[in-house]
Amino acid sequence: EAQVTQNPRYLITVTGKKLTVTCSQNMNHEYMSWYRQDPGLGLRQIYYSMNVEVTDKGDVPEGYKVSRKEKRNFPLILESPSPNQTSLYFCATSGISYNEQFFGPGTRLTVL
Amino acid sequence: SQQGEEDPQALSIQEGENATMNCSYKTSINNLQWYRQNSGRGLVHLILIRSNEREKHSGRLRVTLDTSKKSSSLLITASRAADTASYFCATAFSNDYKLSFGAGTTVTVRA
Repeated sequence: EAQVTQNPRYLITVTGKKLTVTCSQNMNHEYMSWYRQDPGLGLRQIYYSMNVEVTDKGDVPEGYKVSRKEKRNFPLILESPSPNQTSLYFCATSGISYNEQFFGPGTRLTVL
Repeated sequence: SQQGEEDPQALSIQEGENATMNCSYKTSINNLQWYRQNSGRGLVHLILIRSNEREKHSGRLRVTLDTSKKSSSLLITASRAADTASYFCATAFSNDYKLSFGAGTTVTVRA
């Protein structure tokens, strides 16, 4: 079954404590992307990756890092989380960057 | 950001009625897509319409695209309670191989 998985699904943490949200896909897609969703703002792209070892900034990259060492995985790293990073995060994949995207179930992050 | 804008922000209809929502954008697109999101869950792709297409159907969904007006509409016919969700348009701009999402239209279908 084609899947995009994210872990953890829910996380409550404190300011400054480094965390990683994992994303994994089994569709052999080259394109992967991270979004955050905040009320009234829709989805905003954080980072994206066109292929292994190729990553680029989206619209709101400040405070985030990513890596793409393998095709299937695209972790999102918050080195020093702050309360304004409290949000719902989605990983998405696509065979081509501007075609249909497949979304993970989301990670709800709260930074206290 | 070049994101599209949906209108209205929220819509409440009776079961069986049609629901129409619109999306406007500012620059040339490669394609425009519509997604559905059930409360707090991941988005699900509904339909993609390319810039050289004017209308597309999928089941009870009908999407139109008017590139001269830089707008698209999504029509859901004979709505059901299960159609209650947020609907987002996403635009793939010609000069940018990323998708930009709007803020969404929240649709509530009353039984």
